[in-house]
Amino acid sequence: GAGVSQSPSNKVTEKGKDVELRCDPISGHTALYWYRQSLGQGLEFLIYFQGNSAPDKSGLPSDRFSAERTGGSVSTLTIQRTQQEDSAVYLCASSFPSGGFQETQYFGPGTRLLVL
Amino acid sequence: AQKITQTQPGMFVQEKEAVTLDCTYDTSDPSYGLFWYKQPSSGEMIFLIYQGSYDQQNATEGRYSLNFQKARKSANLVISASQLGDSAMYFCAMREGQTGANNLFFGTGTRLTVIP
Repeated sequence: GAGVSQSPSNKVTEKGKDVELRCDPISGHTALYWYRQSLGQGLEFLIYFQGNSAPDKSGLPSDRFSAERTGGSVSTLTIQRTQQEDSAVYLCASSFPSGGFQETQYFGPGTRLLVL
Repeated sequence: AQKITQTQPGMFVQEKEAVTLDCTYDTSDPSYGLFWYKQPSSGEMIFLIYQGSYDQQNATEGRYSLNFQKARKSANLVISASQLGDSAMYFCAMREGQTGANNLFFGTGTRLTVIP
């Protein structure tokens, strides 16, 4: 079946503008994650959604970052008043809950954000 | 403290040879899962192999095997019979089962280059 999809693939924006990044998880996957990967670095957790539960926002770096998930499927990550340090690849992952630490997350291709 | 440490920024291997990519982890949680992902230049994170903390045997998936040494807290990835298509970044990651954290913790990665 189809994997995790993300759009846009690339986004160039000016400092101070807002951006929206979209993630469409694998069908049937109730868990959805957003990560950020800065150049040459590992992945940094941002936010986690599981079904209808309140999201885990513990990784969001500032209040300029927010995310929502509508209908338990598609998710949008919004960055307000973008800064140059927000430039990174934003990766979305989804998983089917199998119980805690055993869940395998499947990733999308990412959105490369460049803030000028 | 870093939860996942990958000490090899870059590795080279001759085509058809085997290579070991190192990963050590730090957790006090008795329940955890260890994952390896491959990230080619296209940017997508591809799941390779999983090892659970209670698994008695080392995980294997085709040419990939995980050398799990629990007492040393290491989870090295072994790639046998390297192919040119194995050239990529490789990330080790961990998910803890009892701390309440929902996300994967990633290392900084190892760039593998397969030489023809």
